Amino acid sequence: EAEVAQSPRYKITEKSQAVAFWCDPISGHATLYWYRQILGQGPELLVQFQDESVVDDSQLPKDRFSAERLKGVDSTLKIQPAELGDSAMYLCASSQLELMGYEQYFGPGTRLTVT
Amino acid sequence: GIQVEQSPPDLILQEGANSTLRCNFSDSVNNLQWFHQNPWGQLINLFYIPSGTKQNGRLSATTVATERYSLLYISSSQTTDSGVYFCAGGSSASKIIFGSGTRLSIRP
Repeated sequence: EAEVAQSPRYKITEKSQAVAFWCDPISGHATLYWYRQILGQGPELLVQFQDESVVDDSQLPKDRFSAERLKGVDSTLKIQPAELGDSAMYLCASSQLELMGYEQYFGPGTRLTVT
Repeated sequence: GIQVEQSPPDLILQEGANSTLRCNFSDSVNNLQWFHQNPWGQLINLFYIPSGTKQNGRLSATTVATERYSLLYISSSQTTDSGVYFCAGGSSASKIIFGSGTRLSIRP
């Protein structure tokens, strides 16, 4: 069964350092999402890609966060510099084109701890 | 944008009991999903159900789109059903929004 891949699974970094997360969506899925989940809350959308284009990044803290999906397949989310408040689970999801119904499938996530 | 509210926030049941989790959304959605978050944090798809009723084993879900709610039923609960259940809704005009979840604890 096809799955969304994410790496690393866990990351510990010091504040002010740079950190990057990688996501490989299910093959053929045009839409890719990055979410942040703070402990005890539901996931919050950070950025949504349709192929290589950003369609929603309204909740992405653009002063320190960046995301790219250069070839419309895998994606990288970067934080620079990391702050203590960035400690959270970062989840990647993918779905087919919206017109086909867009059931989301999630990867295992990256748990980030900033010290 | 869409608001998604889940109830109850916490639910404690004995093994074998049945449970109903509710998700209300503030506007029309054409995407409604239920997830179970496992202890390692991964979101497991339960149902994609923008309308109608679906069943999968002991779990079933019903979405009444015109009344803007969805229900998740768990019958004959098992300890492995414990965890957090999320619903998420979205539309063509709004990004997908997650509720705050229902934490289900099944006691043996």
